[in-house]
Amino acid sequence: AQTVTQSQPEMSVQEAETVTLSCTYDTSESDYYLFWYKQPPSRQMILVIRQEAYKQQNATENRFSVNFQKAAKSFSLKISDSQLGDAAMYFCAYRSDFGNEKLTFGTGTRLTIIP
Amino acid sequence: EAQVTQNPRYLITVTGKKLTVTCSQNMNHEYMSWYRQDPGLGLRQIYYSMNVEVTDKGDVPEGYKVSRKEKRNFPLILESPSPNQTSLYFCASSPLDRQETQYFGPGTRLLVL
Repeated sequence: AQTVTQSQPEMSVQEAETVTLSCTYDTSESDYYLFWYKQPPSRQMILVIRQEAYKQQNATENRFSVNFQKAAKSFSLKISDSQLGDAAMYFCAYRSDFGNEKLTFGTGTRLTIIP
Repeated sequence: EAQVTQNPRYLITVTGKKLTVTCSQNMNHEYMSWYRQDPGLGLRQIYYSMNVEVTDKGDVPEGYKVSRKEKRNFPLILESPSPNQTSLYFCASSPLDRQETQYFGPGTRLLVL
């Protein structure tokens, strides 16, 4: 079974600075998909960014980018120019390329933005 | 507007009183799933469905039932709720394309006394 580990329960960053959230996963599969979700105080789950394992190029969405290291099974999220609205819980998630299409989530990292 | 809706959003109940949390999506998605979120544990899958009349257990199915009689609806049933089912519940849906994200409902916060 796949597992996802987020080793930083809490992080904080000054507004306008850059922060990196860590995520590692364990799998024996070669094809899969990785996601970062944001959960603000409203509790809504919002997709931030996704990465296909077969793509070597790191995904980017505006201020959000990932560092995907397939051999190391690492999938970190970098947030540049942090804004107050980025304050949230962030979850890393894994989705297999076969069988149940479930998302396997990490335990989350709570990000605080310091004005 | 494409969305996943859940009802109720908040529910307080007592041990043993049967309840149903409804989930509906308007995107014609084949795949639907229920997750529960607990502090320090992230989200864990309860049940899923890959199409009408096709359902299967996820990682934490004990104490729950589901049905998929229509493509758009996927209710979660707690026949005899217990306090350990106090949690935040999410319904999600997606097309049968693993590249696609799952679209989440707004969540249902359940307290079982």
